[in-house]
Amino acid sequence: KQEVTQIPAALSVPEGENLVLNCSFTDSAIYNLQWFRQDPGKGLTSLLLIQSSQREQTSGRLNASLDKSSGRSTLYIAASQPGDSATYLCAVPRSNTGKLIFGQGTTLQVKP
Amino acid sequence: NAGVMQNPRHLVRRRGQEARLRCSPMKGHSHVYWYRQLPEEGLKFMVYLQKENIIDESGMPKERFSAEFPKEGPSILRIQQVVRGDSAAYFCASSQSVQGVETQYFGPGTRLLVL
Repeated sequence: KQEVTQIPAALSVPEGENLVLNCSFTDSAIYNLQWFRQDPGKGLTSLLLIQSSQREQTSGRLNASLDKSSGRSTLYIAASQPGDSATYLCAVPRSNTGKLIFGQGTTLQVKP
Repeated sequence: NAGVMQNPRHLVRRRGQEARLRCSPMKGHSHVYWYRQLPEEGLKFMVYLQKENIIDESGMPKERFSAEFPKEGPSILRIQQVVRGDSAAYFCASSQSVQGVETQYFGPGTRLLVL
């Protein structure tokens, strides 16, 4: 059974810091891993999707890495800004139906 | 492309009433997923549908919950005889295909409150 865990559950940093969010999964036979952002009371915004054959993906100040053998992914945010404050979720699809298994999320607060 | 649309955004029901949640996938997407986010909990898969077919409903409670995705019109998640424990945010997501397991795009959610 696939389980997804995110550490830490909450993180508070001053503006400008670089930070790393962690995601681990128990079954390394994944198709891909997706990182999402969720703002309070809002839906999910897809940030990055890393295919199982890839090691990392970059979008602007975000860089996500994937290490299937160790069952880990990290989301690196460079030069954090108050606007980055949100909950970050990682998810992996279970089987080939695409249904996503989510971690509990890391709630990030970036203080100005 | 308008993105995934859900309505209503907020829904208040009294115990015992029915709740109907609607989801219109992105244009060109034929795969729809429903997820539920209970207060202080993570997102949990409920059901996966393609047009006129339920593919996987392993995450949906066996009683009171049903889902459909007709040939025409939006996908509907129906909750009969709602109870307070059904209060949650219900999210719909769509994707273009499953092959290679593509990115799922999420709607803004429907927040159901059962009084």
